[in-house]
Amino acid sequence: DQQVKQNSPSLSVQEGRISILNCDYTNSMFDYFLWYKKYPAEGPTFLISISSIKDKNEDGRFTVFLNKSAKHLSLHIVPSQPGDSAVYFCAAAFSGTYKYIFGTGTRLKVLA
Amino acid sequence: DAGVIQSPRHEVTEMGQEVTLRCKPISGHNSLFWYRQTMMRGLELLIYFNNNVPIDDSGMPEDRFSAKMPNASFSTLKIQPSEPRDSAVYFCASRPDGDKTFGNTIYFGEGSWLTVV
Repeated sequence: DQQVKQNSPSLSVQEGRISILNCDYTNSMFDYFLWYKKYPAEGPTFLISISSIKDKNEDGRFTVFLNKSAKHLSLHIVPSQPGDSAVYFCAAAFSGTYKYIFGTGTRLKVLA
Repeated sequence: DAGVIQSPRHEVTEMGQEVTLRCKPISGHNSLFWYRQTMMRGLELLIYFNNNVPIDDSGMPEDRFSAKMPNASFSTLKIQPSEPRDSAVYFCASRPDGDKTFGNTIYFGEGSWLTVV
């Protein structure tokens, strides 16, 4: 039973355009969400996070949006660059706990 | 600073053999995690240690899997006997306990790619 779902296994975007990666979750008690990026043959690295008290968090070209009523979050990358090509995992957690529930990942390919 | 160090990076073994994966967490990190990545299930938490003590092993698939953390700088994940369905990437990750704000993040190693034939 997947509590965190990334329904798009892959996404291709032209360089300079916006990339939108989506994530849905089922447990309304989650109050902390993260995005990790993973390059081939490397471990996932932390990208950006958001707590449930916010609906938006921005860090440079990366913005995460949280829609609690829809149990949905999204990661926007603007503008997309070829170096952003990677697998992106979203994760949800109860703040202050150790257990992060990860999605299955979305492979983003940014075309030059 | 050295990150989380895992070995071996790649392992190919025959079904029925014992496999041992090793991890050295980041110095000073109190929490250690073992994750498994598969296409179908993404990143699954197998076991969580805090201060060398196993706290949650509910993600360990079955008795063939075991994990130990004899000291703060070393952990092992053992599969005995291994089966083809165990083929996956196994990640070790660590996190400092003091970081309990919303900036809480875990730091992953590069993974151990296991293939059981």
